[in-house]
Amino acid sequence: NAGVTQTPKFQVLKTGQSMTLQCAQDMNHEYMSWYRQDPGMGLRLIHYSVGAGITDQGEVPNGYNVSRSTTEDFPLRLLSAAPSQTSVYFCASCLGQDSPLHFGNGTRLTVT
Amino acid sequence: GQQVMQIPQYQHVQEGEDFTTYCNSSTTLSNIQWYKQRPGGHPVFLIQLVKSGEVKKQKRLTFQFGEAKKNSSLHITATQTTDVGTYFCAGPSGGSYIPTFGRGTSLIVHP
Repeated sequence: NAGVTQTPKFQVLKTGQSMTLQCAQDMNHEYMSWYRQDPGMGLRLIHYSVGAGITDQGEVPNGYNVSRSTTEDFPLRLLSAAPSQTSVYFCASCLGQDSPLHFGNGTRLTVT
Repeated sequence: GQQVMQIPQYQHVQEGEDFTTYCNSSTTLSNIQWYKQRPGGHPVFLIQLVKSGEVKKQKRLTFQFGEAKKNSSLHITATQTTDVGTYFCAGPSGGSYIPTFGRGTSLIVHP
């Protein structure tokens, strides 16, 4: 099992550009989520999904879109990047509610 | 939404000293999870506590869940340089079905 795979590992964008952060898991987990990590702020939930076709907003959803067309994939889209979105992004998955989270290796995004 | 507060934000210790981080919630938690993130790495699940007053040990790490299920602690005995990292607690958010994380405690161990 590869676990949770995130691509790319690093990305530099200019303000206003769009991009998609990819996340895939091969553990047949129902729940998937995206977090951003900023210094001193811990892990803040952006969007999450409790199954294919179901998504919902977390604590900091503005500027991000998600979709969940398959159980395996949960991409995160930045439609118009802003410097405030410079961060490290983690995708995570778990079996269900209250189950331990399995994290990907993260994507370090810089927006100039 | 529900929040978990974690203190301290940073802790410097000499190798061999003990370390404790605390997690507090204003509401009762059904469970609490602990994660460790090494510098440059991703969070890795350590343990989950479910029962009131529960104590679990993993070698030099001791995890406790308060009697009221509103607080938890992680204690490391005789720290080693391999313990360096950020320790997070995470509790149910009450709405999103996905855990809400504390801000973490970064442990720095001086040899």
